[in-house]
This record gives sequence, structure tokens and C-alpha cells, in this order.
Amino acid sequence: GESVGLHLPTLSVQEGDNSIINCAYSNSASDYFIWYKQESGKGPQFIIDIRSNMDKRQGQRVTVLLNKTVKHLSLQIAATQPGDSAVYFCAENMANQAGTALIFGKGTTLSVSS
Amino acid sequence: NAGVTQTPKFRILKIGQSMTLQCTQDMNHNYMYWYRQDPGMGLKLIYYSVGAGITDKGEVPNGYNVSRSTTEDFPLRLELAAPSQTSVYFCASSGDGNYGYTFGSGTRLTVV
Repeated sequence: GESVGLHLPTLSVQEGDNSIINCAYSNSASDYFIWYKQESGKGPQFIIDIRSNMDKRQGQRVTVLLNKTVKHLSLQIAATQPGDSAVYFCAENMANQAGTALIFGKGTTLSVSS
Repeated sequence: NAGVTQTPKFRILKIGQSMTLQCTQDMNHNYMYWYRQDPGMGLKLIYYSVGAGITDKGEVPNGYNVSRSTTEDFPLRLELAAPSQTSVYFCASSGDGNYGYTFGSGTRLTVV
């Protein structure tokens, strides 16, 4: 089946830098996308979502960009902090079909050094 | 609100044994899901449910069974444990029209 993938398995940044985590999706029918953060030993936590009728959505220190033309999704974290170190997953869902579930990518491990 | 609660947190099974992973949520969510996460990998959907009495297979259902007799509970059953089922299992829930899932903290299962 179709799946969501991430470009890089790991990303290392310095504290205070901006981080950009990328994701490519293959299902052109997907119309809802979510970024999750998973810390070691914990379940995934919701960060931010975006629907396909939007190109950009901002949260607190995070921004998600959606490029439907090339089926690309990115998560930008401003002023990255050591507490941002985690595995980040993008996920897609076809929001208009009852009963479907999120499809997750493999994840990018973000390491933030002081 | 406790959110999504999974028990046990850890379990070691012998090949051929059976067990039930428990999942309960107190948010009155209709949708519930079971995922497994292998080391270094993303989450794979095992089973999901859109409401009490309704369940459906996900990407990797073989070797598992589920039931949904109440809105709150969604147990996952392993009948004949195999080493390939060694994984971390996550339960999640979401309300109607809300696709931001709430995840439990996971059950780490080892089959030896």
C-alpha cells in the first residue's frame, strides 16, 4: 500500500538553531496531515496538524508547510531546545472516509546539543 | 481525565503463550486503534474500531484479535505468541471528526 516516508532518519542541530524535518507522502487523496513527537519510552504526542486546503499553519515555535504539488510536508521548529530531542513522525489520513486510520512514516530522530 | 491507559507496561511471553493487552480511555471517544512499533520504525496499524461492536483490520492483523464491547475498552489478544510479535504496542483513540489521536504510553512485549 501507499505509505508516508521521511527524507532523513536523523538530524543533529545546536541549541538555538532552527530545525526543519521533511516528509514525502505518496497518497494524493490524503487531505489531512499530522506531526507527532515521540520521546524515549513514551507514546507519540500530537504537535500540529494541517488540512489540504492550507499551505501553512503555525503553532507555538512550530510551523508546518504543505506542498501538494510535490506531495511534501515539513515541520519547522524555531529556536530548537534540548527538550525537542525526540523522534518526529509525520502521518496522513483521508479525513473524509469514515473508518480510515493514520498512516505513519518511519520517523526522524532529532538530536539537540547544547 | 486519565486519557488512554494501557496495561501492562512490560511483559515477557514464551512462544505459544497467549495474553491480552488492555486499553481503556475515559474521553468517550468512538475511534480506537492498536499500533505496533518495531525498533527504528514507524507505527503499523493492527486493528481499529469506529465504535462499540465494530472492529476492522489494519495493515498487520495476523496473529491478533480484538473486541470492542464498550466505548471505553479495546483489548488486543495474542493467541499463540511468536518471536515476530516482539514489539512495542500502542493504543490510541480519537473522537468523531477529531483526527489528532491520543496515545497511551505503550506496552513493551518480548516473546522468547
